[in-house]
Parts: sequence; C-alpha cells; structure tokens
Amino acid sequence: AQSVSQHNHHVILSEAASLELGCNYSYGGTVNLFWYVQYPGQHLQLLLKYFSGDPLVKGIKGFEAEFIKSKFSFNLRKPSVQWSDTAEYFCAASSNTGKLIFGQGTTLQVKP
Amino acid sequence: DTEVTQTPKHLVMGMTNKKSLKCEQHMGHRAMYWYKQKAKKPPELMFVYSYEKLSINESVPSRFSPECPNSSLLNLHLHALQPEDSALYLCASSQESGPRRETQYFGPGTRLLVL
Repeated sequence: AQSVSQHNHHVILSEAASLELGCNYSYGGTVNLFWYVQYPGQHLQLLLKYFSGDPLVKGIKGFEAEFIKSKFSFNLRKPSVQWSDTAEYFCAASSNTGKLIFGQGTTLQVKP
Repeated sequence: DTEVTQTPKHLVMGMTNKKSLKCEQHMGHRAMYWYKQKAKKPPELMFVYSYEKLSINESVPSRFSPECPNSSLLNLHLHALQPEDSALYLCASSQESGPRRETQYFGPGTRLLVL
C-alpha cells in the first residue's frame, strides 16, 4: 500500500536557522506530492506541490522542495526560518486512486 | 479564490444528540471530501463525493452520514456519537477526484467535542 513517511517528528530551531524536513513516499508509479502547513489553530494550507517538470518546486513564504525520484523523496527546505513558521507540516502524496495519503507530520518550533 | 467554508467552528454535543456539519465551496469544484483529524495527527479520509455522488467511504461507522445536496454543499450528519469521535472535522474540495493532477483545498474545520 502507498505510504508517506516523515522522519522528523519534532524539530526545534532558532530564528534564521536553515530548515530541511524529510519526506519519503513508497509508491513507484506516477505520484503527485504536496506539502501542507497547519499553523496553530488554523486550517491546512498548501505550501507547494509537485506534479511533473522541474524537480525543484518553489512555494509560498520562501519554502521550496526537491523531488528526487531515485530516492522517493520530497524534502521541504527553507534557508532561514522565522518565529512565524512555527507550525505542523504535513507531506502528502496522491496516486492514481486520487486519495491523498498524509505523513505523520512534523512539529516545527522556532525559538525567537 | 480557494476558500472552503465550514460551520459551525465549534460544536459540543451529547451522545444522544443529532447534529450536522456544513461545508461550502464556490470554486466550481466537483469533488468534496470529509476528513477527521485528531490532535497532532494527520487528517484521515472519511468520505469522497464526486459529482454529488458518494465515491469513497473509508469504512466509516454509520453514526456518520454524509450528504451532498448540490455541487457546492457537503453535509455530515452526526448521530449517537461516542466521546472518541471528538476531533477536528475537515472538509476539502478539488476540481475533480481520481487519477488526475488535483489539489485539495481545505476548510478551517469544525472542532467537535462529544460528551
């Protein structure tokens, strides 16, 4: 069965530090990949998505992600985090069934 | 506009009550979804509607009853819930469902507490 795994469950960073959150998926066919963010008390928002083309995808708020097919990975990066980036981050993948499969999420805490 | 709205924002109900959650989108999307999310956990898919017809039921207990009155509205009727059903209920929509390059847009959710 298709699955998504996020390696980091809880990440604590200081402001201005660089961020990389790992995401791996287990589906070998055509897959669409997403990163969603959930700020405290708010709804899930789309950060970025990959369908095809350039494997380096740029999203909102300075986030980017790189799709590496050989590693089944879609890691999220940001060069310099801010306190306002404190949130829960979910990687997700959809396959040919159309279902969205979420990873377990990573809690990011940015210290001012 | 990628807005999905949900009402109410909060709901407290007893185990014998009947209540309904509502979801609305005006993006012309033809697929709508219900998810359940527990604290610090990812959303779990419950139901998918495609063109106003139920296409996926993820073995959800019958005390949850979805309804899609038209292409813009999605309801979730609740009856005889259990305390463990307390969670954030999220609605989402996408242009279509199935094997396409679809992006799901989520509403703010209804936070449900069952006493």
